Amino acid sequence: TQLLEQSPQFLSIQEGENLTVYCNSSSVFSSLQWYRQEPGEGPVLLVTVVTGGEVKKLKRLTFQFGDARKDSSLHITAAQPGDTGLYLCAGVGSWGKLQFGAGTQVVVTP
Amino acid sequence: ETGVTQTPRHLVMGMTNKKSLKCEQHLGHNAMYWYKQSAKKPLELMFVYNFKEQTENNSVPSRFSPECPNSSHLFLHLHTLQPEDSALYLCASSLSSGGSYEQYFGPGTRLTVT
Repeated sequence: TQLLEQSPQFLSIQEGENLTVYCNSSSVFSSLQWYRQEPGEGPVLLVTVVTGGEVKKLKRLTFQFGDARKDSSLHITAAQPGDTGLYLCAGVGSWGKLQFGAGTQVVVTP
Repeated sequence: ETGVTQTPRHLVMGMTNKKSLKCEQHLGHNAMYWYKQSAKKPLELMFVYNFKEQTENNSVPSRFSPECPNSSHLFLHLHTLQPEDSALYLCASSLSSGGSYEQYFGPGTRLTVT
């Protein structure tokens, strides 16, 4: 089993602050996805990173895939209350099977 | 309706009841999935269907019985559940399970077993 560990488990910050969440594994993935899940909803795909060392930006969100394709980070600049949610990373393994982490709950207060 | 829909959104059932969860996708996808989401745990993949054929059963107890009559509909039949089966059950779909891996999720059914 390819275990994905996310840290921290919970993060509470004030609006305007920056934050980084991490996703680490001892296994190599062909690609890695980040999802955000809001209360009462299913996860929504934010981005897929494929190449080792790849950096993708989505407005104030910056995603990085580690050079060895074992880890990833999500950095949010100037967080807003709308960024509140559960952030999940998922490694894509053999046959497209997703291995999810347990998630990081982010709370941004005004 | 667009995307992936799930009904019911909430379900409370006793351990001796039989109920079914329904999932429908309007995205033209060919692969559908059932996941279990418990608090502070990773999403657990339960079943995968590709072109209506079950391609994965992740050692799920037989009290959970999936059914996929066509590529757009997926059911999860429940019977004699245990309290530890209480969780959010998520359905997802993708173009196929072996091609594009981007999965689109429904809002989930919050199941409580009493």
